[in-house]
Amino acid sequence: DGGITQSPKYLFRKEGQNVTLSCEQNLNHDAMYWYRQDPGQGLRLIYYSQIVNDFQKGDIAEGYSVSREKKESFPLTVTSAQKNPTAFYLCASSILLRSGRGKDTQYFGPGTRLTVL
Amino acid sequence: LAKTTQPISMDSYEGQEVNITCSHNNIATNDYITWYQQFPSQGPRFIIQGYKTKVTNEVASLFIPADRKSSTLSLPRVSLSDTAVYYCLVGLSGSARQLTFGSGTQLTVLP
Repeated sequence: DGGITQSPKYLFRKEGQNVTLSCEQNLNHDAMYWYRQDPGQGLRLIYYSQIVNDFQKGDIAEGYSVSREKKESFPLTVTSAQKNPTAFYLCASSILLRSGRGKDTQYFGPGTRLTVL
Repeated sequence: LAKTTQPISMDSYEGQEVNITCSHNNIATNDYITWYQQFPSQGPRFIIQGYKTKVTNEVASLFIPADRKSSTLSLPRVSLSDTAVYYCLVGLSGSARQLTFGSGTQLTVLP
């Protein structure tokens, strides 16, 4: 059964603690993404990665870090430097077409809701 | 990145056809138009994608005029379960360039 899994579904963190959100995909997709969504808002890109061992900052990377040691995995760490980390976090993946044309849709995981206590 | 403008919210009744229009005046030549659906506390789900004219699949149709500066998502005979936020995105397919999700359109289907 192919897809993207995120864990945990709900996560609680005390202020000052780092926390890592898991994202795994078995779709053999090259690109993976992390988004943050606040209530009533759209998605904002945190980081994305096109290939293993490479990743790029998105619009709101400050206070977050990522790694891409395996094609299937793209964990996100929310550090204590992130001032307002309470949000819904979504991971996505997509294929990459080297030609630059074609259909490139992002497939999303179920999300992790992070609450800072 | 092409900016998109959609209505903030729309109401409809069960069984009606719903059309949601998205404006994207500065769409680039290679950009595709993609629509996603999102239910509360879930990840967005791909609905349909197109480049020009009309695209139809089992759940929706996408109409794109010749100038491609707007697009219309058409949902035939909506049901209560179609109540969700619908996002219009414009971006270059086949790359990892970030796609901008706006605030979307909250569609509420009433009985």
